[in-house]
Amino acid sequence: DSGVTQTPKHLITATGQRVTLRCSPRSEDLSVYWYQQSLDQGLQFLIHYYNGEERAKGNILERFSAQQFPDLHSELNLSSLELGDSALYFCASSVTPQETQYFGPGTRLLVL
Amino acid sequence: AQSVTQPDIHITVSEGASLELRCNYSYGATPYLFWYVQSPGQGLQLLLKYFSGDTLVQGIKGFEAEFKRSQSSFNLRKPSVHWSDAAEYFCAVGRSMDSSYKLIFGSGTRLLVRP
Repeated sequence: DSGVTQTPKHLITATGQRVTLRCSPRSEDLSVYWYQQSLDQGLQFLIHYYNGEERAKGNILERFSAQQFPDLHSELNLSSLELGDSALYFCASSVTPQETQYFGPGTRLLVL
Repeated sequence: AQSVTQPDIHITVSEGASLELRCNYSYGATPYLFWYVQSPGQGLQLLLKYFSGDTLVQGIKGFEAEFKRSQSSFNLRKPSVHWSDAAEYFCAVGRSMDSSYKLIFGSGTRLLVRP
């Protein structure tokens, strides 16, 4: 158990819908990262937050957004969902940006 | 651009046999290197990491990896594989970006263990 929690574990929804994925980092960590794992793209970095502030964006679609709250938990919002958004979404956290990242169990999203 | 290559998509070994999973990276500076393991339906667990110093790194579950700068490689090894090692293994390189940092992952190697 890494100490990073993600909810929900599974999510099934329809195209065009909006969902919110939640991540709670380890208690000592200020950095939160989101990654997407899909069959065709593999593991891709989406976005990084540090202490509530967005630090970097990767291959994140404009339909996706994220935020990190004062208690350091983070949410990834996915809107106007398409079939191709079906994937496993991981959250990871670290103490500082260059420290080791610890991953949560992931949220498996299925868009029908 | 930074990249990580894991040339073997699948590897099958017999239980008790030795294992080596290959990883090659492309990175201009001294890399931070990682191996993660993903068991079916599970998240990514860190096996080991290399930041600097001794190029032979010991990890959890009896795994080790050796950083070879001349070959741009960071291969993962285990002397005797157990059935519970069957999983997917990902090599990653850490990349600094201004005030941020991200991991660039290889495509993974799926390990199958024969009884």
